[in-house]
Formats: sequence, C-alpha cells, structure tokens
Amino acid sequence: KAGVTQTPRYLIKTRGQQVTLSCSPISGHRSVSWYQQTPGQGLQFLFEYFSETQRNKGNFPGRFSGRQFSNSRSEMNVSTLELGDSALYLCASSLLDSYNSPLHFGNGTRLTVT
Amino acid sequence: GQQLNQSPQSMFIQEGEDVSMNCTSSSIFNTWLWYKQDPGEGPVLLIALYKAGELTSNGRLTAQFGITRKDSFLNISASIPSDVGIYFCAGQLLANTGNQFYFGTGTSLTVIP
Repeated sequence: KAGVTQTPRYLIKTRGQQVTLSCSPISGHRSVSWYQQTPGQGLQFLFEYFSETQRNKGNFPGRFSGRQFSNSRSEMNVSTLELGDSALYLCASSLLDSYNSPLHFGNGTRLTVT
Repeated sequence: GQQLNQSPQSMFIQEGEDVSMNCTSSSIFNTWLWYKQDPGEGPVLLIALYKAGELTSNGRLTAQFGITRKDSFLNISASIPSDVGIYFCAGQLLANTGNQFYFGTGTSLTVIP
C-alpha cells in the first residue's frame, strides 16, 4: 500500500509569492492533517480536513489555507510568503475517527522563502 | 496547540548502550504514539499504545502507556548507528471534532560507533 505522498519535495520561493502544496493520503484514509515543522518550534498543527470539510484549525494566520477534494487528496496554500514561512510542511493521514487510528506522515515539502 | 513534555532533549550514547526517553502531559490521552524522524524525511510510526498500562515491543524498541494515561516512555536496547534520528511522542485524543494529536518537542539521538 502506498504511503502518504507529498509534492513537490522542495520549493524555493521569494517573499510575497504564493505557493500550493499537494498531499495524497494513504488509500482509504479520509482525514488529512497539515503540520509546519521548524527547528525552533517543533511540529505545529495547521489544519485538519475530513470528508472535504475543515474540522480543526491551528493558530496560523489566514494566509495559510487548505482544501480537500472528494478523493481525499488535499492541498495547502500559503499566500504572501514571508521569510518565517520557511519550514518543512508535513501532511499526515489517518483512517478513522477512532482512538486506534494513528497518523501516518508523508516525507514533507521543504519550503525555502528568500 | 498543546505540546507534550518530552525528555531528554538530546542524547549522545555509545553503540550498544540502551536508551530511555519519556513524555508527560497534564492531559489524559486515549492513545500514545512514538515516531522516529530521519533527516529530510517525515516521521515514521514506531509504536502505538492503546490501553493504560500496555507494554508493547517492536524489535529492540519497547514502549509503555502510563497507568495515569498522562505519560509514556520509549526504550531502545542495544543501540546501533541507524537508530540516529529524532524521536517524537504523540498523544491522541478522540474529541467531538475527530482525532486530535499533540506532539512532544522531540529527543535527538546520536549514536557514537
């Protein structure tokens, strides 16, 4: 079974630009979450989607948005990029809304803002 | 969001030594998870614990779900160079809005051959 797939693996953008990251969850997984990982802040929760609906949202500005499609694939968008947005963005999926359904992560997209 | 208290922050050990790390929280969790992250990769699930008091092994790794449901530990026996990486604990809570996950700040492990 294929794991969580994220594209692209690396991105270099300049301040002010916008970026879209893509995530394909494990087949059958309906919940998709996004995390920002930086050396100083660890794993920070961005948002979670389930059946095309955003259910939970972390404490990030409105420049960060996402969506989920009917096939559970998800995209994350960051507008008006800032230098501080440089990070590893991780997507994770889980199968069910139950206690025994852990998160499975992709390998991330490394975003560098210059 | 909430972060768990994970310790130690970093460890430098000789190959062959045993390793122990733990996570504590002020909240009760339904599930405790342990992940390992290699440089440039995403976290990989090592062990999942579903019941208070549960002790689970995965090869040289052993983890336990604390009786109070507020803590967990991970042990690695006879460490080898490929154990190098960052280990994260995570607590999982089943809420009205679905699963919620809270992560530790990570333990960076260096194994000296």
